[in-house]
Amino acid sequence: EPEVTQTPSHQVTQMGQEVILRCVPISNHLYFYWYRQILGQKVEFLVSFYNNEISEKSEIFDDQFSVERPDGSNFTLKIRSTKLEDSAMYFCASLRRQNTEAFFGQGTRLTVV
Amino acid sequence: AQSVTQLDSHVSVSEGTPVLLRCNYSSSYSPSLFWYVQHPNKGLQLLLKYTSAATLVKGINGFEAEFKKSETSFHLTKPSAHMSDAAEYFCVVSHTDKLIFGTGTRLQVFP
Repeated sequence: EPEVTQTPSHQVTQMGQEVILRCVPISNHLYFYWYRQILGQKVEFLVSFYNNEISEKSEIFDDQFSVERPDGSNFTLKIRSTKLEDSAMYFCASLRRQNTEAFFGQGTRLTVV
Repeated sequence: AQSVTQLDSHVSVSEGTPVLLRCNYSSSYSPSLFWYVQHPNKGLQLLLKYTSAATLVKGINGFEAEFKKSETSFHLTKPSAHMSDAAEYFCVVSHTDKLIFGTGTRLQVFP
């Protein structure tokens, strides 16, 4: 069964450092997303990506965040200068079409120290 | 604007008894609704989805949910809880091209 894969599963980084979270969506999917879940809190939308550009982003997704689909396979989330409050579980998701089932990866747990 | 409200942050049941996890939605048009489950240290797994077909939706692991437009509800049920059902459950509404999550309900199952 096709699945979304995310690497790494855990990432510890020092405050102010750049991190790149990687995702490989399902191959025939067209819509890609990043969500995050701060420990004990709800899952929050960060950004959606379609046709090689951002289609929507939340208030959380400020200038420190960027996404890229560099090679038609990987979908990355970059945080340029991490803050303590960026510590969270980050989920990648992909959809074949709008309003259909989103397939989520296992998540990357980011800890900023 | 689209939103979902999960009415209970925690639900505790005994194994073998019914499960009811409540969700109310707000939507300006006919919504697509989902229930996702998250087991400890795991990703999000789709349990079931409603996309304007049958109002009673059956999902995996014996779960089902009924879409009630008059009550703007999409409650998740299971006739008989199993220990392995202990997890966090999220009611989700689709809005344009993003998902909006409820705050989640933690289900505990006691032997």
